[in-house]
Amino acid sequence: DQQVKQNSPSLSVQEGRISILNCDYTNSMFDYFLWYKKYPAEGPTFLISISSIKDKNEDGRFTVFLNKSAKHLSLHIVPSQPGDSAVYFCAASVGSSNTGKLIFGQGTTLQVKP
Amino acid sequence: KAGVTQTPRYLIKTRGQQVTLSCSPISGHRSVSWYQQTPGQGLQFLFEYFSETQRNKGNFPGRFSGRQFSNSRSEMNVSTLELGDSALYLCASSKQGEAYEQYFGPGTRLTVT
Repeated sequence: DQQVKQNSPSLSVQEGRISILNCDYTNSMFDYFLWYKKYPAEGPTFLISISSIKDKNEDGRFTVFLNKSAKHLSLHIVPSQPGDSAVYFCAASVGSSNTGKLIFGQGTTLQVKP
Repeated sequence: KAGVTQTPRYLIKTRGQQVTLSCSPISGHRSVSWYQQTPGQGLQFLFEYFSETQRNKGNFPGRFSGRQFSNSRSEMNVSTLELGDSALYLCASSKQGEAYEQYFGPGTRLTVT
Protein backbone atom coordinates (compact mmCIF):
# COMPACT_ATOMS: atom_id res chain seq x y z
CA ASP A 1 0.00 0.00 0.00
CA GLN A 2 1.82 3.07 -1.25
CA GLN A 3 0.70 5.99 0.88
CA VAL A 4 2.81 8.56 -0.97
CA LYS A 5 2.89 8.52 -4.76
CA GLN A 6 4.83 10.42 -7.35
CA ASN A 7 3.18 9.41 -10.58
CA SER A 8 5.67 11.04 -12.95
CA PRO A 9 8.97 9.14 -13.02
CA SER A 10 10.64 11.92 -15.02
CA LEU A 11 10.29 15.54 -16.05
CA SER A 12 12.29 17.60 -18.52
CA VAL A 13 12.21 21.42 -18.61
CA GLN A 14 14.18 24.21 -20.22
CA GLU A 15 16.54 26.33 -18.14
CA GLY A 16 14.77 29.44 -16.83
CA ARG A 17 11.30 27.90 -17.00
CA ILE A 18 9.19 26.60 -14.14
CA SER A 19 9.50 22.98 -12.92
CA ILE A 20 6.44 21.52 -11.22
CA LEU A 21 6.78 18.22 -9.40
CA ASN A 22 3.69 16.54 -8.05
CA CYS A 23 2.93 14.20 -5.19
CA ASP A 24 -0.29 12.53 -3.98
CA TYR A 25 -0.95 10.90 -0.64
CA THR A 26 -3.66 8.74 0.85
CA ASN A 27 -3.20 8.99 4.62
CA SER A 28 -5.10 11.97 6.04
CA MET A 29 -3.14 11.62 9.29
CA PHE A 30 0.06 12.93 7.70
CA ASP A 31 0.87 16.24 9.35
CA TYR A 32 4.16 17.23 7.78
CA PHE A 33 5.36 17.02 4.18
CA LEU A 34 8.86 17.41 2.87
CA TRP A 35 10.77 17.50 -0.40
CA TYR A 36 14.24 16.08 -0.80
CA LYS A 37 16.68 16.26 -3.70
CA LYS A 38 19.09 13.43 -4.42
CA TYR A 39 22.16 13.31 -6.63
CA PRO A 40 23.73 9.96 -7.61
CA ALA A 41 26.03 8.49 -4.96
CA GLU A 42 24.82 10.98 -2.34
CA GLY A 43 22.18 10.90 0.36
CA PRO A 44 18.97 12.91 -0.05
CA THR A 45 19.26 16.62 0.75
CA PHE A 46 16.42 18.36 2.56
CA LEU A 47 14.88 21.11 0.42
CA ILE A 48 11.68 22.44 1.92
CA SER A 49 8.82 21.35 4.15
CA ILE A 50 5.24 22.30 4.90
CA SER A 51 2.98 21.69 7.84
CA SER A 52 -0.51 20.33 7.19
CA ILE A 53 -1.97 23.50 8.71
CA LYS A 54 -0.52 25.59 5.89
CA ASP A 55 -1.17 25.61 2.16
CA LYS A 56 2.02 27.25 0.93
CA ASN A 57 5.64 27.60 1.95
CA GLU A 58 8.30 29.46 0.03
CA ASP A 59 12.08 29.40 0.21
CA GLY A 60 13.92 31.24 -2.52
CA ARG A 61 13.29 29.55 -5.85
CA PHE A 62 11.37 26.71 -4.20
CA THR A 63 7.69 26.83 -3.27
CA VAL A 64 5.61 23.95 -1.96
CA PHE A 65 1.81 23.98 -2.25
CA LEU A 66 -0.47 21.72 -0.24
CA ASN A 67 -4.06 20.93 -1.18
CA LYS A 68 -5.45 18.90 1.69
CA SER A 69 -8.86 18.30 0.17
CA ALA A 70 -7.23 16.73 -2.88
CA LYS A 71 -4.45 15.12 -0.81
CA HIS A 72 -1.97 16.62 -3.23
CA LEU A 73 1.21 18.61 -2.93
CA SER A 74 3.49 20.13 -5.49
CA LEU A 75 6.96 21.65 -5.62
CA HIS A 76 7.55 24.60 -7.91
CA ILE A 77 11.07 25.58 -8.90
CA VAL A 78 11.37 29.00 -10.53
CA PRO A 79 13.53 29.63 -12.44
CA SER A 80 14.90 26.15 -13.09
CA GLN A 81 18.65 25.80 -13.39
CA PRO A 82 20.79 22.95 -14.81
CA GLY A 83 22.13 22.30 -11.30
CA ASP A 84 18.59 21.40 -10.25
CA SER A 85 18.81 18.22 -12.32
CA ALA A 86 18.41 15.42 -9.77
CA VAL A 87 15.87 12.97 -8.35
CA TYR A 88 13.23 14.66 -6.20
CA PHE A 89 11.42 12.76 -3.46
CA CYS A 90 8.38 13.87 -1.56
CA ALA A 91 7.96 12.47 1.93
CA ALA A 92 5.34 12.57 4.66
CA SER A 93 5.36 12.20 8.42
CA VAL A 94 2.81 11.38 11.11
CA GLY A 95 3.34 12.82 14.58
CA SER A 96 6.02 15.04 13.10
CA SER A 97 7.94 16.30 16.10
CA ASN A 98 8.23 12.95 17.82
CA THR A 99 8.64 10.51 15.01
CA GLY A 100 11.58 10.04 12.72
CA LYS A 101 9.60 7.87 10.33
CA LEU A 102 9.18 9.34 6.87
CA ILE A 103 7.14 7.73 4.10
CA PHE A 104 8.71 8.46 0.73
CA GLY A 105 7.34 8.56 -2.78
CA GLN A 106 9.17 6.75 -5.58
CA GLY A 107 10.87 9.89 -6.84
CA THR A 108 10.78 12.04 -9.98
CA THR A 109 13.91 12.58 -12.06
CA LEU A 110 14.14 16.21 -13.13
CA GLN A 111 16.30 17.18 -16.08
CA VAL A 112 16.86 20.87 -16.71
CA LYS A 113 18.22 21.51 -20.18
CA PRO A 114 20.53 24.48 -20.79
CA LYS B 1 29.06 21.78 11.43
CA ALA B 2 29.94 18.29 10.13
CA GLY B 3 27.18 16.34 8.41
CA VAL B 4 26.00 12.80 8.95
CA THR B 5 28.75 10.29 8.31
CA GLN B 6 28.35 6.64 7.45
CA THR B 7 30.93 3.88 7.36
CA PRO B 8 31.83 1.97 5.38
CA ARG B 9 30.71 3.54 2.10
CA TYR B 10 30.86 0.29 0.16
CA LEU B 11 30.63 -3.30 1.26
CA ILE B 12 30.51 -6.67 -0.48
CA LYS B 13 29.27 -9.67 1.47
CA THR B 14 28.27 -13.24 0.74
CA ARG B 15 24.84 -14.75 1.33
CA GLY B 16 24.47 -16.02 4.87
CA GLN B 17 27.00 -13.61 6.37
CA GLN B 18 26.12 -10.75 8.66
CA VAL B 19 27.04 -7.08 8.39
CA THR B 20 27.21 -4.05 10.67
CA LEU B 21 26.86 -0.51 9.37
CA SER B 22 27.71 2.60 11.35
CA CYS B 23 26.24 6.10 11.44
CA SER B 24 27.44 9.24 13.24
CA PRO B 25 24.73 11.93 13.42
CA ILE B 26 25.16 15.68 13.23
CA SER B 27 26.43 17.01 16.54
CA GLY B 28 23.49 17.74 18.83
CA HIS B 29 21.05 15.53 16.95
CA ARG B 30 19.63 12.76 19.10
CA SER B 31 17.34 10.99 16.66
CA VAL B 32 18.77 8.59 14.09
CA SER B 33 16.63 6.88 11.43
CA TRP B 34 17.66 4.19 8.96
CA TYR B 35 16.30 3.64 5.45
CA GLN B 36 16.83 1.09 2.73
CA GLN B 37 16.84 2.28 -0.88
CA THR B 38 16.39 -0.19 -3.73
CA PRO B 39 15.43 0.46 -7.37
CA GLY B 40 12.18 -1.45 -7.02
CA GLN B 41 10.97 -0.31 -3.59
CA GLY B 42 12.38 3.19 -3.31
CA LEU B 43 13.26 4.53 0.14
CA GLN B 44 11.79 2.43 2.92
CA PHE B 45 11.95 3.16 6.63
CA LEU B 46 13.76 0.57 8.74
CA PHE B 47 13.77 1.99 12.28
CA GLU B 48 14.44 5.06 14.38
CA TYR B 49 16.40 5.46 17.57
CA PHE B 50 16.14 8.25 20.11
CA SER B 51 18.05 8.38 23.39
CA GLU B 52 19.29 4.81 22.90
CA THR B 53 15.73 3.47 22.50
CA GLN B 54 14.00 2.27 19.38
CA ARG B 55 11.12 4.71 18.89
CA ASN B 56 9.70 3.52 15.55
CA LYS B 57 10.03 0.41 13.46
CA GLY B 58 9.26 -0.34 9.81
CA ASN B 59 8.09 -3.56 8.20
CA PHE B 60 11.34 -5.43 7.92
CA PRO B 61 12.15 -8.94 9.21
CA GLY B 62 13.91 -9.48 12.50
CA ARG B 63 17.21 -10.05 10.65
CA PHE B 64 17.44 -6.26 10.58
CA SER B 65 18.32 -4.74 13.93
CA GLY B 66 19.91 -1.65 15.29
CA ARG B 67 21.11 0.14 18.35
CA GLN B 68 22.11 3.58 19.49
CA PHE B 69 24.87 4.56 21.86
CA SER B 70 24.96 7.26 24.52
CA ASN B 71 26.79 9.62 22.13
CA SER B 72 23.87 9.18 19.62
CA ARG B 73 25.98 7.17 17.18
CA SER B 74 24.01 4.30 15.74
CA GLU B 75 24.68 0.93 14.17
CA MET B 76 22.46 -1.36 12.17
CA ASN B 77 23.04 -5.05 11.75
CA VAL B 78 21.73 -7.44 9.14
CA SER B 79 22.15 -11.13 9.87
CA THR B 80 21.92 -14.07 7.47
CA LEU B 81 22.24 -11.87 4.41
CA GLU B 82 20.10 -12.55 1.36
CA LEU B 83 20.63 -11.41 -2.22
CA GLY B 84 17.62 -9.12 -1.85
CA ASP B 85 19.38 -7.19 0.92
CA SER B 86 21.61 -5.58 -1.69
CA ALA B 87 20.75 -1.90 -1.41
CA LEU B 88 21.85 1.56 -0.40
CA TYR B 89 21.42 1.95 3.36
CA LEU B 90 20.86 5.52 4.44
CA CYS B 91 21.05 6.99 7.88
CA ALA B 92 19.46 10.31 8.83
CA SER B 93 19.59 12.43 11.95
CA SER B 94 17.31 15.12 13.33
CA LYS B 95 16.96 17.47 16.27
CA GLN B 96 14.81 16.75 19.26
CA GLY B 97 11.32 18.07 18.60
CA GLU B 98 11.91 18.25 14.84
CA ALA B 99 12.14 14.59 13.99
CA TYR B 100 10.44 15.13 10.65
CA GLU B 101 13.29 17.30 9.31
CA GLN B 102 15.96 14.73 8.66
CA TYR B 103 19.47 15.15 7.35
CA PHE B 104 20.90 12.22 5.48
CA GLY B 105 24.35 10.72 5.23
CA PRO B 106 25.84 9.55 1.93
CA GLY B 107 24.79 5.95 2.54
CA THR B 108 26.46 2.57 2.57
CA ARG B 109 26.19 0.57 -0.64
CA LEU B 110 25.83 -3.10 0.32
CA THR B 111 26.20 -5.78 -2.32
CA VAL B 112 25.35 -9.38 -1.42
CA THR B 113 26.71 -12.06 -3.73
